[in-house]
Amino acid sequence: AQTVTQSQPEMSVQEAETVTLSCTYDTSESDYYLFWYKQPPSRQMILVIRQEAYKQQNATENRFSVNFQKAAKSFSLKISDSQLGDAAMYFCAYIRNQGGKLIFGQGTELSVKP
Amino acid sequence: GAVVSQHPSRVICKSGTSVKIECRSLDFQATTMFWYRQFPKQSLMLMATSNEGSKATYEQGVEKDKFLINHASLTLSTLTVTSAHPEDSSFYICSARDPVRGKKPPDQPQHFGDGTRLSIL
Repeated sequence: AQTVTQSQPEMSVQEAETVTLSCTYDTSESDYYLFWYKQPPSRQMILVIRQEAYKQQNATENRFSVNFQKAAKSFSLKISDSQLGDAAMYFCAYIRNQGGKLIFGQGTELSVKP
Repeated sequence: GAVVSQHPSRVICKSGTSVKIECRSLDFQATTMFWYRQFPKQSLMLMATSNEGSKATYEQGVEKDKFLINHASLTLSTLTVTSAHPEDSSFYICSARDPVRGKKPPDQPQHFGDGTRLSIL
């Protein structure tokens, strides 16, 4: 069975600094998708970034980028120039190419200090 | 704007009553919707996959008779918590998969509702 692990329950970053959130996963599939979702205090789930496993190039969305290491089954999220509005719970998620359900990690609560 | 509408956003009711939560896709027809439960500071736990026109697929450990799911139309899925008790108090979130043409299901956008905070007294 596929699993997603986020080993950092909480992280803190100074405003304007860079922070990296870790995520590892376990799967026997070779083709799948990985996501990072943000859940601010409003509890709405917001897609931050997605990565297709067959693409070697790391995805980037403005200040958000990922470091996808397929062999190591690692998918970390880097937030550059952190802003107060980045404070939220961040969830890493996996879905296999054949479809099915999104599998979420435990989440990392990010706080941003002014 | 929101593409998935979830209603109500908050409900407080007495133990023993049944509560219905609605999830609507606004800009697309969703053949597949999902229902999640989330406890404070924890991850989303998938309860069931709602398929339009057929029975929902429940995750292991989720009581089918307790959490009734109906997906009678392509834009509406409902979750009914029957005979609710305090232990059913939680945050419930739905999501709907947007069947964008040319994209495989895993790559199709999954839009989330804003959630429902259910409190059973």
